[in-house]
Amino acid sequence: EAGVAQSPRYKIIEKRQSVAFWCNPISGHATLYWYQQILGQGPKLLIQFQNNGVVDDSQLPKDRFSAERLKGVDSTLKIQPAKLEDSAVYLCASSPRDRNTEAFFGQGTRLTVV
Amino acid sequence: GQQVMQIPQYQHVQEGEDFTTYCNSSTTLSNIQWYKQRPGGHPVFLIQLVKSGEVKKQKRLTFQFGEAKKNSSLHITATQTTDVGTYFCAGDSGYALNFGKGTSLLVTP
Repeated sequence: EAGVAQSPRYKIIEKRQSVAFWCNPISGHATLYWYQQILGQGPKLLIQFQNNGVVDDSQLPKDRFSAERLKGVDSTLKIQPAKLEDSAVYLCASSPRDRNTEAFFGQGTRLTVV
Repeated sequence: GQQVMQIPQYQHVQEGEDFTTYCNSSTTLSNIQWYKQRPGGHPVFLIQLVKSGEVKKQKRLTFQFGEAKKNSSLHITATQTTDVGTYFCAGDSGYALNFGKGTSLLVTP
């Protein structure tokens, strides 16, 4: 079974630029999560989808971050404009059912904002 | 919103010693999950606890879920160098899955 795929693996951008991350969850998984993990900290939930609907986005900085899950499968997370404090690893995860069970994580995208 | 807190932040033990990390939620949970993240890696699922007072074991690891479903612990007996990493609890509030800040375990041979 293929795992959660994320791209790119690494990205370096200047502040005020925009960036997008892509996630392809495990086939058939209903729940998709985007987490932000700053070095030395725990993953912070940015947004959680159930199929193509948003379950929780209370910690998503909506003035600069946006996310969508097309047709309940792939998802993209966008930052526009980026700030220095956005430097982090962005982790995508998926769960097989429409409730929180085992989450499978992708390798993440390491973003550096300079 | 829901907050998940973990202590200690760091733990350094000699190989063979025991290790415990504690997790507390500000709200009652539907379930709690534990993950391990190796340096440079991504979180990997260890276990899920659902029932009040539940205790589960995986070899040298023992997981407990509190009676009030607001706290949990992970205990490792006789640590090994392969146990090195950061252990996270993740609380399911019924809709969102929120992680604690983790406990980083360092094991010295």
